[in-house]
Amino acid sequence: DTAVSQTPKYLVTQMGNDKSIKCEQNLGHDTMYWYKQDSKKFLKIMFSYNNKELIINETVPNRFSPKSPDKAHLNLHINSLELGDSAVYFCASSLATGTGAYEQYFGPGTRLTVT
Amino acid sequence: AQSVTQLGSHVSVSEGALVLLRCNYSSSVPPYLFWYVQYPNQGLQLLLKYTTGATLVKGINGFEAEFKKSETSFHLTKPSAHMSDAAEYFCAVSNTDKLIFGTGTRLQVFP
Repeated sequence: DTAVSQTPKYLVTQMGNDKSIKCEQNLGHDTMYWYKQDSKKFLKIMFSYNNKELIINETVPNRFSPKSPDKAHLNLHINSLELGDSAVYFCASSLATGTGAYEQYFGPGTRLTVT
Repeated sequence: AQSVTQLGSHVSVSEGALVLLRCNYSSSVPPYLFWYVQYPNQGLQLLLKYTTGATLVKGINGFEAEFKKSETSFHLTKPSAHMSDAAEYFCAVSNTDKLIFGTGTRLQVFP
């Protein structure tokens, strides 16, 4: 059973479109995250949710809107896609929140290409 | 603010040689430190972590890392490289929910 899954794995779309990426974890974790990995492999956190509540919202354009329908799911919706949004987006989860001591489990990533 | 510096964006070793990947951190509070590995076109997998206690931490696949507070370092080592170790390695620091990653080191292993 896959611990953290994401769909789709690849997403190719045109500028201006709206798209969503879905993430599910079956680990029973309370906290979920979205990270962006750019073309130079640099990883940066975008958002985190704890039990459906937004905890971290980094300086991400408001075209990006995360939604957590329940603690096992965290989706990422992106409006008006731009060329600079092209990246690999990783979902992750961890047991709990607050201390940073818990390791995060990562999904396989979604490679978004905006043309 | 926390930060991580990984010295050497590329490291090449021969199969069977020692692997040493360097990581230095900056943190105003006791940090939690992690090493993750990313194989091509895959997600990140935890190799090992340091939270408290023993400063020499053993991880998966024969890797280990030593937390040295005086040097603010958390270097990753493996005594004998294997071809399957070729991947991107990331050091990360955290004291809250955010993982702050280094820029990564690509390890190449030559036969």
